[in-house]
Amino acid sequence: GNSVTQMEGPVTLSEEAFLTINCTYTATGYPSLFWYVQYPGEGLQLLLKATKADDKGSNKGFEATYRKETTSFHLEKGSVQVSDSAVYFCARFSWSGGSNYKLTFGKGTLLTVNP
Amino acid sequence: GAGVSQSPRYKVAKRGQDVALRCDPISGHVSLFWYQQALGQGPEFLTYFQNEAQLDKSGLPSDRFFAERPEGSVSTLKIQRTQQEDSAVYLCASRSPGFDNEQFFGPGTRLTVL
Repeated sequence: GNSVTQMEGPVTLSEEAFLTINCTYTATGYPSLFWYVQYPGEGLQLLLKATKADDKGSNKGFEATYRKETTSFHLEKGSVQVSDSAVYFCARFSWSGGSNYKLTFGKGTLLTVNP
Repeated sequence: GAGVSQSPRYKVAKRGQDVALRCDPISGHVSLFWYQQALGQGPEFLTYFQNEAQLDKSGLPSDRFFAERPEGSVSTLKIQRTQQEDSAVYLCASRSPGFDNEQFFGPGTRLTVL
């Protein structure tokens, strides 16, 4: 079936540190891949997306590359800020026939950035 | 324009009560989704509408859960005879037409069943 596995947190970093949050997906169909972010007290927001192999999604200094060979979509940021503290969710979307339009999410990774 | 809105934002119910949660999608979005997010977990799919048609309700956990979208815009998720395990945040999302596939989420309704 369709599933997403992401690195369990919590992750605690100092400001300006490098961030990686790992995400892998099951290779069923040709999924679009997403990272969503949930800031404290707010709803889910799309952070970035990639729709095909080798695409790189980027936004607000975050990047993730769609790697078909490793079925991965790891989230990276070169220098985190306190304001990046949030829960990050990796998600997949498939268009492969049948019930294929829903998002499947990972369990989320809590990131805390300290000044 | 306005985003997806949900009401109420918080709901406390006694076990056995019925609740109704409302979602107002982005204007023009024909696709509407409901997700359930338990504490510390990612959202899980409940049901999907395209206009007024409920095309998938495979994620609804029991027959106590019922969703409708009679005019193809506002949707209501109803839970009958609530149980403690129904406590969660219920998220609504809508999606624009075409191949963009991005779902825009509302702020959610946090349901607590005592």
